Parts: sequence; C-alpha cells; structure tokens
Amino acid sequence: QVQLVESGGGVVQPGRSLRLSCAASGFTFSDYAMHWVRQAPGKGLEWVAVISFDGSTKHYADSVKGRFTISRDNSKNTVYLQMNSLRAEDTAVYFCARDPPTTVVTEWYFEHWGQGTLVTVSS
Amino acid sequence: DIQMTQSPSSLSASVGDRVTITCRASQTISRYLNWYQQKPGKAPKLLIYAASSLQSGVPSRFSGSGSGTDFTLTVSSLQPEDFATYYCQQSYSYPPTFGPGTKVEIK
Repeated sequence: QVQLVESGGGVVQPGRSLRLSCAASGFTFSDYAMHWVRQAPGKGLEWVAVISFDGSTKHYADSVKGRFTISRDNSKNTVYLQMNSLRAEDTAVYFCARDPPTTVVTEWYFEHWGQGTLVTVSS
Repeated sequence: DIQMTQSPSSLSASVGDRVTITCRASQTISRYLNWYQQKPGKAPKLLIYAASSLQSGVPSRFSGSGSGTDFTLTVSSLQPEDFATYYCQQSYSYPPTFGPGTKVEIK
C-alpha cells in the first residue's frame, strides 16, 4: 500500500532554514509527481509546491516562491522541501502528497497523503 | 488565483441524516473539483475527484455533483465516522486552491 512518511519538522527561529523529507513506499515513486501541502494550526489547507516525476518541472505557491525549493531523489524514493528565510507565517503542519496516475506533469490534486510534520517558526 | 468558497462553514447533524455541502468557484472550473475529508490530527483523505468520481475504497454513501462554478458533496446517510471537516479543491488551474472547509459535527 502507498505510504508517505514525512520527517524533519521542528522549532526554528525566523530567518533560519529547515529541510523536510518525505519517504515513499508501496508504489513506483519515479512515476509520480509529488506535492507539499501545508496547514497552519486551526486553519485550512494551502498547496505549497509540486515536482514532476523526473524532477524537471517545479511549481511553487507565491507565498513561498524564492524561499522554498522542492527536489527529489528517485534512487531514494524521497522528496524534499528546503525551506529558507522562514517566517512566523510558515508555521504549519507540512504534508507530502502524491499525484494520481497521469500522463501530464500533474493533475493538480492529491490522491495519497502522509501524516504530516509540524514546523514551528518562533524566536 | 481561483477562489473557492464553501457553505455552510459548519453544520450539526445526526447519524442517518442526509447532508449536503456546497462549494463554489470564483470562475468556471469545468469538473476539475475534488473533495477531501479530514479528521482532527490526521491527513486529508481524497473522497471524490473530477466532481463526481468516487475514489477507490470510499463508501458509496458519498457522492459529488456539479460543473462550472457550483458543486455539491452529499452524504446520503451520515455515519459516526463521517464527523469531520470537508474541503473542496479546484484542480483546473495553477495554483490549486482549497475551500475553507465545512465542519460536520454531531447534533
């Protein structure tokens, strides 16, 4: 069965960096686009970034563009989110999510989700 | 960006009730509309994609309808495990955007 396990969250000071990881199993990782979606405490869902199956195409939400970088290592079945210049408003649970099967870069929705990792940006 | 709204923001219902949640897009999105269920402390779960297609493993009491700008999620007979928050999400254009959620509570 599809399993996505996020790690790397924690408490970080404003302006610092953090890297999240999402380890995938139960499917052919290199066939699927992968996303990061976040949820601030008590709030709704916000899409953050997507990376194509081969890593050649990436898109970001305006709120993180220029500060966050999504990447993947298909040999390790892992997708990453490098978060730089963190702000208090980046405090959230970060979920990785898998695209459905597709022949295009992404279907822009989320068939499977990990359990999330909490990032708290605070001094 | 396409804005998504949902109504109501919350509702109280009893086991066995028929429940309908509405989602509206700020511009036409054809049938590129998806529904998720989220329970406290858990990840969202895909219920419905492409407005009306039931995700594998999701009970048939869940159904979706609509096209263009107006969509609905219906639970035909609410079960105890259905008390959760429901989100709609458009996949018509980048960036994908979510509605604010509808919390379904026990009456």
